[in-house]
Amino acid sequence: GDSVTQMEGPVTLSEEAFLTINCTYTATGYPSLFWYVQYPGEGLQLLLKATKADDKGSNKGFEATYRKETTSFHLEKGSVQVSDSAVYFCALNRDDKIIFGKGTRLHILP
Amino acid sequence: GAGVSQSPSNKVTEKGKDVELRCDPISGHTALYWYRQRLGQGLEFLIYFQGNSAPDKSGLPSDRFSAERTGESVSTLTIQRTQQEDSAVYLCASRTSATGKLHTQYFGPGTRLTVL
Repeated sequence: GDSVTQMEGPVTLSEEAFLTINCTYTATGYPSLFWYVQYPGEGLQLLLKATKADDKGSNKGFEATYRKETTSFHLEKGSVQVSDSAVYFCALNRDDKIIFGKGTRLHILP
Repeated sequence: GAGVSQSPSNKVTEKGKDVELRCDPISGHTALYWYRQRLGQGLEFLIYFQGNSAPDKSGLPSDRFSAERTGESVSTLTIQRTQQEDSAVYLCASRTSATGKLHTQYFGPGTRLTVL
C-alpha cells in the first residue's frame, strides 16, 4: 500500500543552520504531497504542498520539490530559527484521505 | 468558530470504561476525518465522513471503535471497553469541497486519552 518514510529525529541544529528533512514515498499514480507542522502545544497545520511532479511548495522560508524520479519530497530551509522548533510530518493524499509519515522532531538551539 | 474544536482536551479513564470524543469541524466543511497519534508515532487514519455518511471506515482498529456524524456538523468517536493500548491523542480534521482546496485538511488540537 501507499506509505511515507521520513528521517527519524530528533534533529538538533543551531540557529541559522541549513535544514534538510528527508521524505520518500511509495504510491501508485501521482498523489499530492504535503508537509504538515505541529508546534508545541498547537494543532497540526499545513506548511506547504505540491500537487504534481516538479512542483515546488514553499511557505515561511521552507521549500520542498516533488521529485517523481526519486519519489521524494525533501523539506529544506536555508536558515532556521528557534521558532521553527516543532514536529514535521511528510504526507501524501490517497482517495480522499491523507497518509502521514511518523514525524521528525526538530530542535533549534539559540 | 474559526477552527476545528475538540472536546475534551484531556480524558483519563479506567480500563473497560466507554469514552466519547467530540469534534466540531469548521462551519461548511463537508468532509471530516479522525486520526490517532500514539506516542512517538505518526498519525493513523481511523475514519472519514463525507457529509453524514462514512465511505471509509478502514482504519478503525476494532469493533470497539465507532463514530457518527449528524447534521453534517459535529462528530463523535466512541471507544467501548477501553484498553491501555487505546491511549493516544485523537485528532479530528475537516476540509472543504471547494475546488482547488480539496486536499487541505484543517486539524483540531486533539483529545489526549489516557487509559489506566
